[in-house]
Amino acid sequence: QKEVEQDPGPLSVPEGAIVSLNCTYSNSAFQYFMWYRQYSRKGPELLMYTYSSGNKEDGRFTAQVDKSSKYISLFIRDSQPSDSATYLCAMRRGQAGTALIFGKGTTLSVSS
Amino acid sequence: GAVVSQHPSRVICKSGTSVKIECRSLDFQATTMFWYRQFPKKSLMLMATSNEGSKATYEQGVEKDKFLINHASLTLSTLTVTSAHPEDSSFYICSARVLAGFGEQYFGPGTRLTVT
Repeated sequence: QKEVEQDPGPLSVPEGAIVSLNCTYSNSAFQYFMWYRQYSRKGPELLMYTYSSGNKEDGRFTAQVDKSSKYISLFIRDSQPSDSATYLCAMRRGQAGTALIFGKGTTLSVSS
Repeated sequence: GAVVSQHPSRVICKSGTSVKIECRSLDFQATTMFWYRQFPKKSLMLMATSNEGSKATYEQGVEKDKFLINHASLTLSTLTVTSAHPEDSSFYICSARVLAGFGEQYFGPGTRLTVT
């Protein structure tokens, strides 16, 4: 079993839809969770980061962590064509020096 | 968010030559920087973890003599691809971790290396 599982999609939605992106993980020691957006041929852009369980909202984006289920989500409200990109979840255990473990990324396409 | 720059953004070199890629954290200090490689439509592959003032830690299968990493200051890390071959052609991306607080990690824009 991979440490982090993420459905690669592609996921196609119409403009204005609510998008739900998800990752599951197997290592209960993960405490720091991040979501990145990557456009083609660009470096990943940090969207959201959360520590441990709970929800965090920033504009149209909401990140949710359920540690009991080892499940994290990113919700995008009122999706726009400019949201079309690959979304990567990432997580790590401790603070000092530990590398992020990435999901494979979900490709999202929002049509106008 | 914080900014990480990478230079050059694109480089073409001949087989057998060496190429240096620079990664800088512009508005924050980073004791830890990471180097990744990404193939088309694939996820990020961690190559090495670089800590300021010490030797880099390489992932299994990554040749440390081929991919030389130097992290000379809290804002600069360099990756040198030595004796490049066409199979080294790839998208190389660096990342820097914020020193304090949550320790979020920011990525550079990437460097596309083509070896002819």
